[in-house]
Amino acid sequence: EAQVTQNPRYLITVTGKKLTVTCSQNMNHEYMSWYRQDPGLGLRQIYYSMNVEVTDKGDVPEGYKVSRKEKRNFPLILESPSPNQTSLYFCASSFPTGSPLHFGNGTRLTVT
Amino acid sequence: GQNIDQPTEMTATEGAIVQINCTYQTSGFNGLFWYQQHAGEAPTFLSYNVLDGLEEKGRFSSFLSRSKGYSYLLLKELQMKDSASYLCAVSVYGNNRLAFGKGNQVVVIP
Repeated sequence: EAQVTQNPRYLITVTGKKLTVTCSQNMNHEYMSWYRQDPGLGLRQIYYSMNVEVTDKGDVPEGYKVSRKEKRNFPLILESPSPNQTSLYFCASSFPTGSPLHFGNGTRLTVT
Repeated sequence: GQNIDQPTEMTATEGAIVQINCTYQTSGFNGLFWYQQHAGEAPTFLSYNVLDGLEEKGRFSSFLSRSKGYSYLLLKELQMKDSASYLCAVSVYGNNRLAFGKGNQVVVIP
């Protein structure tokens, strides 16, 4: 089944404890992206990648890192999480321009 | 950057028709997407417009006017399961980025 898989679905952590949210897609998509979604603010792009070893900042990249060492994987790294990073995170992938995004099921992160 | 505007919430009756509007301002416009998102779930793709005009897909239709920076999503024969947030997203040439509006919450009542 074609899908984008994110893990974990739920995560509660404390300030400053490094964490990684994994994202994997099995559709051979070149493009991958991370979004966070907060009430009243909609989906905001954190980082995106046009292909392997190519990553770029989105609208809200501060406090996040990503890597794209393989086409299928695009992990999101929070080196030192803070409470303002409490949010619902979505990973998404697609073929290049004009193709719809396929979203993962989301990761609800709480930082205390 | 892109500036995307959507109304925030509307209520409609089962069986009715509802129109959800989206206006945008951007350079290098390369298409507009509509997504449906149920509470706590991932957005799912509904439609894509890159040329002016109406695209019809079953109960859902989407319209685009590039000169006016305007799109709408039309939902016909509303069903209870259509209660969701509807997001418009604008694609820009060159970087494949999608900028999302804040979404329009549609509540369907019996």
